[in-house]
Amino acid sequence: DIQMTQSPSALSASVGDRVTITCRTSQNIINYLNWYQQHPGKAPKLLIYAASSLQSGVPSRFNGSGSGTDFTLTITSLQPEDFATYYCQESYSTLRITFGQGTRLEIK
Amino acid sequence: QEQLVQSGAEVKKPGASVKVSCKASGYPFTSYDINWVRQAPGQGLEWMGWVTPNSGNTAYAQKFRGRVTVTRNTPTSTAYMELTSLRSEDTAVYYCARRRYSSNAFDLWGQGTLVTVSS
Repeated sequence: DIQMTQSPSALSASVGDRVTITCRTSQNIINYLNWYQQHPGKAPKLLIYAASSLQSGVPSRFNGSGSGTDFTLTITSLQPEDFATYYCQESYSTLRITFGQGTRLEIK
Repeated sequence: QEQLVQSGAEVKKPGASVKVSCKASGYPFTSYDINWVRQAPGQGLEWMGWVTPNSGNTAYAQKFRGRVTVTRNTPTSTAYMELTSLRSEDTAVYYCARRRYSSNAFDLWGQGTLVTVSS
């Protein structure tokens, strides 16, 4: 199975800051990496698919990059509604889909 | 608009089974797989399996193989997830999610169904 390491597990930042979350996989997954945002009590929401493609309706301050085994999600100019938990997900094989452990983004 | 609407919360005793439904609307049901993902209280997301509405083909995470069954009823555009031999560790919110074939991303999610397993 593909192992995923997402870091950091928690992050404190202020409105207007730029933050970066990373996700590393144990095998080359090309660009089969997606990012989700989840607010408490809500379903996850797709932000970025195929490592760097912005899902329709998602603000352009969200940016995904990377390929192979190393991926990043960058949020520029944090807004109050961005404080949430973020998950990466590898989808290289539809027979074994794995999520990262999550990164909780908190207001400093 | 496109949406997935799940059935309501359930409370079950250990050893029982639960069946959660997920009704799709606003898009062609047979055009996308439906996946199931669960989230235990305070924990992360865990993929369980999927069903292809067109063919009925399924795949399951190894952890749940033998305990989970995902089915679909195409005329009603509804997918189902049944989990048997419930234990307290199965207490979680269960989500259905539509998978986009090109990237395997989950681009549409149900609202979630809380399943509580307690004696």
